[in-house]
Amino acid sequence: SAVISQKPSRDICQRGTSLTIQCQVDSQVTMMFWYRQQPGQSLTLIATANQGSEATYESGFVIDKFPISRPNLTFSTLTVSNMSPEDSSIYLCSVEKGGPDTQYFGPGTRLTVL
Amino acid sequence: AQSVSQHNHHVILSEAASLELGCNYSYGGTVNLFWYVQYPGQHLQLLLKYFSGDPLVKGIKGFEAEFIKSKFSFNLRKPSVQWSDTAEYFCAVRGTYKYIFGTGTRLKVLA
Repeated sequence: SAVISQKPSRDICQRGTSLTIQCQVDSQVTMMFWYRQQPGQSLTLIATANQGSEATYESGFVIDKFPISRPNLTFSTLTVSNMSPEDSSIYLCSVEKGGPDTQYFGPGTRLTVL
Repeated sequence: AQSVSQHNHHVILSEAASLELGCNYSYGGTVNLFWYVQYPGQHLQLLLKYFSGDPLVKGIKGFEAEFIKSKFSFNLRKPSVQWSDTAEYFCAVRGTYKYIFGTGTRLKVLA
């Protein structure tokens, strides 16, 4: 299994500012994923982060808005840049461990942008 | 386009009632199918998954799901729900490298 922590658990931010969300895993993993869960909607994959390479972004998400770092096999950050109220959401980190179809999720970061 | 549909957004049941949550997917290739559950205040966790073989899969806590290829469906069932099953349930499909989730179903079980 994998235990994932995220910081912060929640934040309230002003429009135009940026927030960096941290994701820490208790063991080394190759692939880490960042999702967004907007109110009343499904989890939407933002990007896949592999250590040692650039993150792969899904359609509708760009690196300038959601820069991601993956400095090692247990840690990743997602920055939400130049925030607007539309960015208010829960941001989730997840990893695959124990096989390509075994996914573990972090507790999420609840972001509110005023 | 790849998608997952969960048609029941909110379900309210009394304890001991039977449960069936619908999930339909649209995906052109081989799929692996999942149900995840999120109990209040907890992380998303895997309930059950289907890769191949017997289309009726059993998961934790008495849940099961049936894969019907011809209907592109993977419905979740439980014969008798408990108050502790109150949670949000997500159906998901994994394609080549990524997961696609449905919008979730909020289940409330009344004691």
